[in-house]
Amino acid sequence: GENVEQHPSTLSVQEGDSAVIKCTYSDSASNYFPWYKQELGKGPQLIIDIRSNVGEKKDQRIAVTLNKTAKHFSLHITETQPEDSAVYFCAATPGMDSSYKLIFGSGTRLLVRP
Amino acid sequence: DSGVTQTPKHLITATGQRVTLRCSPRSGDLSVYWYQQSLDQGLQFLIQYYNGEERAKGNILERFSAQQFPDLHSELNLSSLELGDSALYFCASSVGPGADYGYTFGSGTRLTVV
Repeated sequence: GENVEQHPSTLSVQEGDSAVIKCTYSDSASNYFPWYKQELGKGPQLIIDIRSNVGEKKDQRIAVTLNKTAKHFSLHITETQPEDSAVYFCAATPGMDSSYKLIFGSGTRLLVRP
Repeated sequence: DSGVTQTPKHLITATGQRVTLRCSPRSGDLSVYWYQQSLDQGLQFLIQYYNGEERAKGNILERFSAQQFPDLHSELNLSSLELGDSALYFCASSVGPGADYGYTFGSGTRLTVV
């Protein structure tokens, strides 16, 4: 069935270090993979996304990679800053017939220590 | 401010009661999605409306219903409330009918059933 697994559930890094969050999806027809950042008391905010015809996308300190064969994608944050501390969610569309919705991973709580 | 407005921000009500959550989508967006976020279930898709019509249903209980009005705002009605309905309820909007246009989330309504 539709499933997105996300690891790790918590991640603590020193300011300036890199952080990597990984997700795997089950539906090989999935074609859109966004990442959301949720700060305390706020709704999830789209920070970067990637489509199935692209292997990597970068936006300043944030990058996402996609391996369609292995059905996994990853978020990379370089030069982390305290304001990067938040919960990060990966998501995927479950396939052509269900592209209206997103299936979310369980979230990663990132703590950046000053 | 994401442009998606949800009211109220907080709601405390008793079991058995009925409440209405309201969402105004971002200007120009035709799709409205409702999600429930709880600690044990994560972000779960409830229902989608596109340009006034119900487009897709997810894990929405029969006690819950929703509608989208001609001005595109949407309401989620929760009735016969149970303790387990306590959660964050998010509304999101997108310009088109599919999730691969990207979602913009509101800041949510925190529902507490006592």
